[in-house]
Amino acid sequence: QSALTQPASVSGSPGQSITISCTGTSSDVGGYNYVSWYQQHPGKAPKLMIYEVSNRPSGVSNRFSGSKSGNTASLTISGLQAEDEADYYCSSYTSSSRVFGGGTKLTVL
Amino acid sequence: QVQLVQSGAEVKKPGASVKVSCKASGYTFTSYGISWVRQAPGQGLEWMGWISAYNGNTNYAQKLQGRVTMTTDTSTSTAYMELRSLRSDDTAVYYCAGGDIWGQGTMVTVSS
Repeated sequence: QSALTQPASVSGSPGQSITISCTGTSSDVGGYNYVSWYQQHPGKAPKLMIYEVSNRPSGVSNRFSGSKSGNTASLTISGLQAEDEADYYCSSYTSSSRVFGGGTKLTVL
Repeated sequence: QVQLVQSGAEVKKPGASVKVSCKASGYTFTSYGISWVRQAPGQGLEWMGWISAYNGNTNYAQKLQGRVTMTTDTSTSTAYMELRSLRSDDTAVYYCAGGDIWGQGTMVTVSS
């Protein structure tokens, strides 16, 4: 199963908004509303930020939002803060398995 | 406190097997399935498979079929992941995840 495609890196200044894309196919991202996004700080376990395309788990800031159009899902972070600097991974359900994106390093300038 | 606590780091020789445990607390164990995800040093996340804590049904990544077995023990609220015929490229941090909770990770090093 091929990994989903994410940009290797994105950056933004504090207070700005950024969007990370996650492109798959009609067999994964486009075929199911089961896209998740994870945040991972160095040396730490991933943290679920968005599930089922656009839902936030309890405790996750509303500065994080998710959406999907066709075979591409997106994670938007508004009002960037220094602590948002991390790696971000998308994941999608795909016919009885899951696949991850390659990850995006977010740098807060 | 809802948490998943994994077993400690392991060092194995090529061809050996490793079994990582993941003990759940703070919630009803059978309410969620447990996924296993690994991350090689400096690399991204790789989905390994999933097991239903309710009935033990499993679903494994195609590339690991035949080498991985996931099990649960509902009496101790613990999930296990066994990987056999270890190779150097199995060196990674192994995570369990249930619902929106992740374990702390277990480093498995395969080296002769």
